Amino acid sequence: DVKVTQSSRYLVKRTGEKVFLECVQDMDHENMFWYRQDPGLGLRLIYFSYDVKMKEKGDIPEGYSVSREKKERFSLILESASTNQTSMYLCASRTRTSANNEQFFGPGTRLTVL
Amino acid sequence: LAKTTQPISMDSYEGQEVNITCSHNNIATNDYITWYQQFPSQGPRFIIQGYKTKVTNEVASLFIPADRKSSTLSLPRVSLSDTAVYYCLVGVILSGSARQLTFGSGTQLTVLP
Repeated sequence: DVKVTQSSRYLVKRTGEKVFLECVQDMDHENMFWYRQDPGLGLRLIYFSYDVKMKEKGDIPEGYSVSREKKERFSLILESASTNQTSMYLCASRTRTSANNEQFFGPGTRLTVL
Repeated sequence: LAKTTQPISMDSYEGQEVNITCSHNNIATNDYITWYQQFPSQGPRFIIQGYKTKVTNEVASLFIPADRKSSTLSLPRVSLSDTAVYYCLVGVILSGSARQLTFGSGTQLTVLP
């Protein structure tokens, strides 16, 4: 089974702090994604990486950056956390050779910015 | 971007068939339609995907009319464990492309005994 793990289930940070959210997948997938999920808004794509060192902005990249130095790891960085970045963050991965759009999601990190 | 619209919530009883419809009026030619299921405190899980007509797997069916401006997820004989949020996703993943993946806001399905 594909396993996508995220470094923390719950995280509390203060406004202005630099925050790192880590995601690791163990199936050698080329594509990795970061979403945030908010009530009534569903999942919104922040960044997408189609391979190592490659990245694409999603729908809402403002205030975020990403790093993909190794194939299995995709990091989301909040350079200066703000209260409006309080949210559930979900990481996903997918193999490039997949016949469909199936993404495998991690359990999520619930981030609270005070 | 292909915006999607789903009902916010639906109730059903055990053993009934449930149909959840998603509208995606400006779907692009290359876009696929994918449905995910999400339980509380978990990430979404892939259910089914289609491009046109009907697709069926062991858990659901997906009906897509010829104009592809909507799709219907059909869950046969639901049980209490099918209580979850169901998301419709329209888009396609292309390496090096900015083609976006648009999730709907989800439909909370509650199955009652």
